[in-house]
Order: sequence, then structure tokens, then C-alpha cells
Amino acid sequence: KNQVEQSPQSLIILEGKNCTLQCNYTVSPFSNLRWYKQDTGRGPVSLTIMTFSENTKSNGRYTATLDADTKQSSLHITASQLSDSASYICVVSESGTASKLTFGTGTRLQVTL
Amino acid sequence: EAQVTQNPRYLITVTGKKLTVTCSQNMNHEYMSWYRQDPGLGLRQIYYSMNVEVTDKGDVPEGYKVSRKEKRNFPLILESPSPNQTSLYFCASGTYRDTLGYTFGSGTRLTVV
Repeated sequence: KNQVEQSPQSLIILEGKNCTLQCNYTVSPFSNLRWYKQDTGRGPVSLTIMTFSENTKSNGRYTATLDADTKQSSLHITASQLSDSASYICVVSESGTASKLTFGTGTRLQVTL
Repeated sequence: EAQVTQNPRYLITVTGKKLTVTCSQNMNHEYMSWYRQDPGLGLRQIYYSMNVEVTDKGDVPEGYKVSRKEKRNFPLILESPSPNQTSLYFCASGTYRDTLGYTFGSGTRLTVV
């Protein structure tokens, strides 16, 4: 069964610090991996999307990495801000179409003063 | 503005009373999908549609119906809601090749009493 596991489940960091969130997956055949940010009670918003051939992709202070051999991805947040407080969800696409996605349960990040 | 619009945002209903949650997108996306999100679980797919008049079951379709008569609209129908369908629901749309990631609606919080 396809699975996406994220760690840690939750994380508290001080404003201005960096952090890294992890995602391991068993989805096969692999098409792409996305990271979404979800504010409480709101819809997820896409941060990055990476295909098999891409090792890293940045979106402002967010940098995602992908190791397709070990089936691992990470999301690094630099110089965190209070507005980064949210859940971060790793999503892996199984095929070349949009139909089949496997969602992780997310990492809940809280940035404090 | 490109967006996915869900209505209503909040809904409280009684067991057995039919309801419809509407979803509309203005991006001419072929693909649309419904998800539910429950505490401690990742988003789970209910139904999806690859195009007009083409729908298919996701992972948790029991108790739900959908229709795709027009490209922009993808309503979710609960014929006889039960308390275990109390959840946060999201509609999403995307292109067939899914190169940009999904666009999610703002969510509908449904409570069935």
C-alpha cells in the first residue's frame, strides 16, 4: 500500500530560526512530490512540486529536496516567521496524471517569539 | 482571480437530511476532486473527475455522490448524512498533467448531528 510518512508530527521553533521537515514515501510508480502549506481551517496551498529528475526546488524561504533513490524529501524553512505557523503536508503523485495522490498527515509547525 | 469556490463554509445538519456542497473553479481545469480531512488523518479522496461526465471513486466514496455536468462545477452530494460524515471537506482542481499542483478551495466544515 502506498504510504507517505512525515516527521516530526509537530515542531515549535523560535522566530528567525531554521527548521527541516522530513517526508518518506513508498508510492510507486513515482510521478512527482509536492509540499503544501495549510493554515488552520483553510485549504492547502502549493509550495513546491518536484519531478523525479529534480533534486531541489526553492520558493522564497522554502527549499525542498528530493532523493528519489531513497524515497525521501525534506522541506527546509529559513529564517522562520510567525506567519510560517501552519501544517506542512507532503503529497506524492503515483502516476503521470492528476488522479492519484497520497497525502501525508502533515507536520504542525508553530513559530513563537 | 483564479480560485476554487466552495459553499457553504460551515454547515450543521441533522442525520438523514440530504445536502449538497457546491464547488466551482474558474481556471478551466479538467480535473476536480473532493477530499475530507479528519484529525490525525491525511486528506482522503472521496471522488474525482477527469473531465465532464467522467467521475470515479476515490478511497472513501461510501455515502457520497458527485456529478460533473459542466467543466467548472463539481458538487458533492450527501443523500442521507450520518454523524461519521462530520468532517472538513475540500474541493480541488488541477490540469490533466498536474504540472502546477492542485488549487484547493477554502473548505466546508460539516457537522451532522
